[in-house]
Amino acid sequence: GAVVSQHPSRVICKSGTSVKIECRSLDFQATTMFWYRQFPKQSLMLMATSNEGSKATYEQGVEKDKFLINHASLTLSTLTVTSAHPEDSSFYICSATPGLYNEQFFGPGTRLTVL
Amino acid sequence: QKEVEQNSGPLSVPEGAIASLNCTYSDRVSQSFFWYRQYSGKSPELIMSIYSNGDKEDGRFTAQLNKASQYVSLLIRDSQPSDSATYLCAPKGNDYKLSFGAGTTVTVRA
Repeated sequence: GAVVSQHPSRVICKSGTSVKIECRSLDFQATTMFWYRQFPKQSLMLMATSNEGSKATYEQGVEKDKFLINHASLTLSTLTVTSAHPEDSSFYICSATPGLYNEQFFGPGTRLTVL
Repeated sequence: QKEVEQNSGPLSVPEGAIASLNCTYSDRVSQSFFWYRQYSGKSPELIMSIYSNGDKEDGRFTAQLNKASQYVSLLIRDSQPSDSATYLCAPKGNDYKLSFGAGTTVTVRA
């Protein structure tokens, strides 16, 4: 149980384009999903918290107009990186939890490379 | 700023030995604590959660928590080469967010 999927697993795009990443909880309903970014040799950095049916809350320093998050259902959250630039190249990982008091389960991650 | 400090690695242990990982945290109101394992190039995988002071054992893993000392640890018994990974300590704050340490990289020598 507690399986979270992400799609795509890897994406290469040109500078200025937008990329959408999907995060799905496969065997539980996720009231809350989290989006993280991890640069090489660094730990995970929380970008935003996504609650079903409401606006995401972003961590300080994360541009909400650049990283659009939509949590349309209890099993799906999407992250869209708009007008991507090479500095946005990173490993994007989502996590999902059936409840705020429960564990967070991570998806396999999406490796984004912006040329 | 919620800080999470883990013992600096890399930690190299021979196969069959015990790997000991330590973590201290600054947020006194944290009530839930998690250990994740992250293989190189992969996402974190939950291996242990602990909520109460004391020890919690799950297979070859034992987590220890001391809230008064703001300290949590993870022991890996009978270490195997497949345990070679980075281990992340993650307390959960009262805002329900996880704070991650930098991680301790463990290498198990065959």
